[in-house]
Amino acid sequence: AQTVTQSQPEMSVQEAETVTLSCTYDTSENNYYLFWYKQPPSRQMILVIRQEAYKQQNATENRFSVNFQKAAKSFSLKISDSQLGDTAMYFCAFGGSNYKLTFGKGTLLTVNP
Amino acid sequence: EAGVAQSPRYKIIEKRQSVAFWCNPISGHATLYWYQQILGQGPKLLIQFQNNGVVDDSQLPKDRFSAERLKGVDSTLKIQPAKLEDSAVYLCASSPAVSTTYEQYFGPGTRLTVT
Repeated sequence: AQTVTQSQPEMSVQEAETVTLSCTYDTSENNYYLFWYKQPPSRQMILVIRQEAYKQQNATENRFSVNFQKAAKSFSLKISDSQLGDTAMYFCAFGGSNYKLTFGKGTLLTVNP
Repeated sequence: EAGVAQSPRYKIIEKRQSVAFWCNPISGHATLYWYQQILGQGPKLLIQFQNNGVVDDSQLPKDRFSAERLKGVDSTLKIQPAKLEDSAVYLCASSPAVSTTYEQYFGPGTRLTVT
């Protein structure tokens, strides 16, 4: 069974600064996907970024980028130029061959003005 | 494109009562998921449907929880009788039948409070 670990329950960052959220996972599969989902206080879970395990290039989406280290089973999210609207719970998730998602416990990110 | 719809958004019941949640997935999405998200934790999969068949219900407490997806579209999740520990947000998600990205699309959730 896959496990996903987010070791930072809470983090805070000043507006316009950069913050990195950590995630590690454990799996015996070779082909899989990793995701970062954002859940604002309204609770709608929104996909932030996706990484295919077979791609060595790290995914980027505007201010969001990942550092994917397959051998270390590490998948961190970097948010650049943080904005107040980035305040939310962030969940790291693993998607394997059974098309199920396994989520971490989440990191509460607060962006301060 | 309309997103995943869920109702009600909030529900408060007393323990031992029954409750039902409804989900309408994105049009054309064959796979539907129900998750339970307890405060401060990540979502936990309860049941996965492919069309109107159950793919995985290994984490569904079958003595009190039931779910159905008649006609392979809408789905209903029921709890009977409810316990205090069932207080959580219940999320519905859907994905296409053949997904090359494993991505799931989530609804807004139903917040259940059991008193």
